[in-house]
Amino acid sequence: GDSVTQMEGPVTLSEEAFLTINCTYTATGYPSLFWYVQYPGEGLQLLLKATKADDKGSNKGFEATYRKETTSFHLEKGSVQVSDSAVYFCALILISSGSARQLTFGSGTQLTVLP
Amino acid sequence: DTAVSQTPKYLVTQMGNDKSIKCEQNLGHDTMYWYKQDSKKFLKIMFSYNNKELIINETVPNRFSPKSPDKAHLNLHINSLELGDSAVYFCASSQGDRGTKTQYFGPGTRLLVL
Repeated sequence: GDSVTQMEGPVTLSEEAFLTINCTYTATGYPSLFWYVQYPGEGLQLLLKATKADDKGSNKGFEATYRKETTSFHLEKGSVQVSDSAVYFCALILISSGSARQLTFGSGTQLTVLP
Repeated sequence: DTAVSQTPKYLVTQMGNDKSIKCEQNLGHDTMYWYKQDSKKFLKIMFSYNNKELIINETVPNRFSPKSPDKAHLNLHINSLELGDSAVYFCASSQGDRGTKTQYFGPGTRLLVL
């Protein structure tokens, strides 16, 4: 079945450090890929997405590139801030003309940024 | 002007009780979802409705029954609550149930069963 694997957390960084959160996927078709963020006590918000190979999603300084050859969608940010502390979820949804598909989430990665 | 809202935000109840969680979206979307997030933050789809019709029904105990009175609402009723039902339940909506349609999430309902 379809699945998403994220790097284990928690991740703790100092402010202005470089961030990478690894995400790889397994899918039977051609998925669209997403990163969602969950700030403490809140619901999920879409951070960025990519719908086909080599697409780069970007938002708020975060970037992720859809790599079909490595089935990956790693999240990066060049300089993190304390306000980036949250749980980050990688997810996929299949583009299919068949039955409806739901988002399949990774296990989430807790990021804490220290001042 | 909240896009996807859920009530209540917190719910503490005794084992064996029956409770409902309500979800409303004002985005004009035709598809709504319920997800469950466990204590380890793992998120899993429970149900999805498209135009008031059930289209996704994952392996969920039949104590859980979704009801969609109209396209803007998807409620979740839980009978005979168990300790293992304690979790955060998220409602979401999208326009269409296929392809790359972005899902918008509500703030979550934190359910604690004692």
